[in-house]
Amino acid sequence: GAVVSQHPSWVICKSGTSVKIECRSLDFQATTMFWYRQFPKQSLMLMATSNEGSKATYEQGVEKDKFLINHASLTLSTLTVTSAHPEDSSFYICSAILAGDSTDTQYFGPGTRLTVL
Amino acid sequence: GEDVEQSLFLSVREGDSSVINCTYTDSSSTYLYWYKQEPGAGLQLLTYIFSNMDMKQDQRLTVLLNKKDKHLSLRIADTQTGDSAIYFCAEIYMTTDSWGKLQFGAGTQVVVTP
Repeated sequence: GAVVSQHPSWVICKSGTSVKIECRSLDFQATTMFWYRQFPKQSLMLMATSNEGSKATYEQGVEKDKFLINHASLTLSTLTVTSAHPEDSSFYICSAILAGDSTDTQYFGPGTRLTVL
Repeated sequence: GEDVEQSLFLSVREGDSSVINCTYTDSSSTYLYWYKQEPGAGLQLLTYIFSNMDMKQDQRLTVLLNKKDKHLSLRIADTQTGDSAIYFCAEIYMTTDSWGKLQFGAGTQVVVTP
């Protein structure tokens, strides 16, 4: 149980284009999902918290217009990197909390490797 | 968030026990977690411990919590080559939002040698 998937697993795009990454909870409902960014050999950096039916909460220093988050249903959150540039190349990982879980335990997806040329 | 510190590297021989240490600073953390990350993959939840517990055992994994010293450790018995990965310690901290956020350590690279 508590499986989270991401799509795509990896994507290469040209500078200036937009890329959408999906995060799905496969066997549970998730009212809250998180988006992280991870640079090589570093820990995870929280970018934003996504709540179903409401606006995402962004961490300090993360551009809202650059990283658009939509949590359209209890099983799907999307991250769109708009007008991507090489510095946006990174490993993006999402996580989800089971609805009603008082421990707030986060279950992580497998990550999406984004390379911007 | 608060700081979580881990040693960066651990080398262990196959069959031996591994002990990964972690210190945290937020005494109000209710849960503390251990995650495993293999190359190019996401994070796999290994185990977590509630802050009012001293120890939790789950098959080859033993978590020890010293709340007074804010010290958490993960012991892996009979370490196998498949245990080679990066292990992240994380504490949950509460914010003004209605959900907890995770503060991660830098991760400990565990290398298992034959």
